[in-house]
Amino acid sequence: GAVVSQHPSRVICKSGTSVKIECRSLDFQATTMFWYRQFPKQSLMLMATSNEGSKATYEQGVEKDKFLINHASLTLSTLTVTSAHPEDSSFYICSAKGLAGGQETQYFGPGTRLLVL
Amino acid sequence: GENVEQHPSTLSVQEGDSAVIKCTYSDSASNYFPWYKQELGKRPQLIIDIRSNVGEKKDQRIAVTLNKTAKHFSLHITETQPEDSAVYFCAASIPPGNQFYFGTGTSLTVIP
Repeated sequence: GAVVSQHPSRVICKSGTSVKIECRSLDFQATTMFWYRQFPKQSLMLMATSNEGSKATYEQGVEKDKFLINHASLTLSTLTVTSAHPEDSSFYICSAKGLAGGQETQYFGPGTRLLVL
Repeated sequence: GENVEQHPSTLSVQEGDSAVIKCTYSDSASNYFPWYKQELGKRPQLIIDIRSNVGEKKDQRIAVTLNKTAKHFSLHITETQPEDSAVYFCAASIPPGNQFYFGTGTSLTVIP
């Protein structure tokens, strides 16, 4: 159980275009999802907390108009990178809150590798 | 927000030896500390976790200890195997939002 999917797994786009990444919890409902970005050989940096039915909470330094988050249902959150630039190239990973052994934890999606040319 | 530090950044051990990774956190309100293993290009996988009301937890070859007073926690892997080679991340979670703040990672190499 507790499977999280992400789509697409890989995307290449031109500078100035927008890219949407989907995160789905497949076998459980997730009222809260999280979005991270990870540069090569670095740690996961929390970008924002996505709450179903309400606005996302962004971490300090993350532009909310640049990274649009929508959590439209209990199983789907989307991250849209607007007007992407080469410096937005990164590995984007979502996670969803779920239960493991009766305790709440986070389950990660497989990640989306974004390359902006 | 929370600040999590992790050491060492790289660690090489001989197969069969033990490996220890240490993390410290800054916010005493943190109450949940998971450890993740991430292989190259893949998602982080939860390997063990501990909550602030427990001092130690063990799962086969993996154990985690927590010292709330000193605000540090450690991952212990015994009888290491080549397949343990990966990057390991610690994290601390703060209520009520329970966001995870990750350490900088430790690249573990187990030499056969």
